[in-house]
Amino acid sequence: SQQGEEDPQALSIQEGENATMNCSYKTSINNLQWYRQNSGRGLVHLILIRSNEREKHSGRLRVTLDTSKKSSSLLITASRAADTASYFCATTSGGYNKLIFGAGTRLAVHP
Amino acid sequence: EAQVTQNPRYLITVTGKKLTVTCSQNMNHEYMSWYRQDPGLGLRQIYYSMNVEVTDKGDVPEGYKVSRKEKRNFPLILESPSPNQTSLYFCASIIWQGRADTEAFFGQGTRLTVV
Repeated sequence: SQQGEEDPQALSIQEGENATMNCSYKTSINNLQWYRQNSGRGLVHLILIRSNEREKHSGRLRVTLDTSKKSSSLLITASRAADTASYFCATTSGGYNKLIFGAGTRLAVHP
Repeated sequence: EAQVTQNPRYLITVTGKKLTVTCSQNMNHEYMSWYRQDPGLGLRQIYYSMNVEVTDKGDVPEGYKVSRKEKRNFPLILESPSPNQTSLYFCASIIWQGRADTEAFFGQGTRLTVV
């Protein structure tokens, strides 16, 4: 069962623009994480936000969490061509010892 | 350097021929997991292990086996591979601190083709 679902599936922007990706989930969570995947390679952890947090920053990344709407957003500011990748949200929830990923958003940043 | 090492990176095999994909981590994590990635479906969890000799099914365990005889290794076994197991496989070693703080470290992936 897929917990997180990202929106949009694909996003194409120009360098310097901001990129916003959204993640919705179905059940209550302990935390929500965002990962990045360069083409066909392993995922890399970007940032984690706990269920009792509303916003978190890390460099050019800003993550928000709205537990009432069961949704999160990842904002990448001043995007660069090197940000081109797929981005996934992942959640841990309830009493389940599972880390569940969504289907991902493909981001293309054009020079 | 923190590492998760998967082997092989690429594998083409025939239906029914048993194979093993190895995974090893050097971070002393208790939690390890296998995922498969298919277009449009994201990563789906196959099996996970909370500790040595403790394994449990994920969302898509059919056709797979795992073992966890020692903390660092978590091999994925396909006893009789079929074409629908053609996929990109990832092993992950995960910091798991009461589910509040989790971070997964991924191997580079194994691209498996079953013909």
